Amino acid sequence: KAGVTQTPRYLIKTRGQQVTLSCSPISGHRSVSWYQQTPGQGLQFLFEYFSETQRNKGNFPGRFSGRQFSNSRSEMNVSTLELGDSALYLCASSPWDRGQNEQFFGPGTRLTVL
Amino acid sequence: AQKITQTQPGMFVREKEAVTLDCTYDTSDPSYGLFWYKQPSSGEMIFLIYQGSYDQQNATEGRYSLNFQKARKSANLVISASQLGDSAMYFCAMRDTLEGGKLIFGQGTELSVKP
Repeated sequence: KAGVTQTPRYLIKTRGQQVTLSCSPISGHRSVSWYQQTPGQGLQFLFEYFSETQRNKGNFPGRFSGRQFSNSRSEMNVSTLELGDSALYLCASSPWDRGQNEQFFGPGTRLTVL
Repeated sequence: AQKITQTQPGMFVREKEAVTLDCTYDTSDPSYGLFWYKQPSSGEMIFLIYQGSYDQQNATEGRYSLNFQKARKSANLVISASQLGDSAMYFCAMRDTLEGGKLIFGQGTELSVKP
């Protein structure tokens, strides 16, 4: 079974630009969650999508948004990039059931904002 | 509010020895799950082990075991027979089953395995 894939793996942008990151979950998994990892703040939850609906949202500004498609693939978008958005963005997939203990991560997208 | 605390920023262990990484958690919800992940320098989060709050026995996965003490709200990871490849960051995380896939992470412990 293929794992979680994320594209692109590395990205360099300048302040004010926008960026779109993509995540393809494990086959059969319907939930996709996104996390931001920085040296200062650690790992922080951004949002979770399940069956194309946002099920949960972390404490991030509206510049951060996401969506999920009918095939469970998910994208997250960051508009008007700031230097502080430089981070490793990780997505995780899990099955449909809230009680499931599976939560597998992709390799991440490393975003650098100049 | 839910919280995960890892009090050991860094640890050293000799190859082939066992090591315990500490994790304490705080939640008022009776149903939750606890995870441990390994993050090598490449950045990928590798799932190691899971413990549900209602599980009667401590979870084990190969060389990894979870010392779950519910009354103390601790979920320590034990790695037996350490290998050089175990050098990495280790994160403890908690999921409230009512919150879907949302994980709350600790700050991590950097483990270095020496020959």
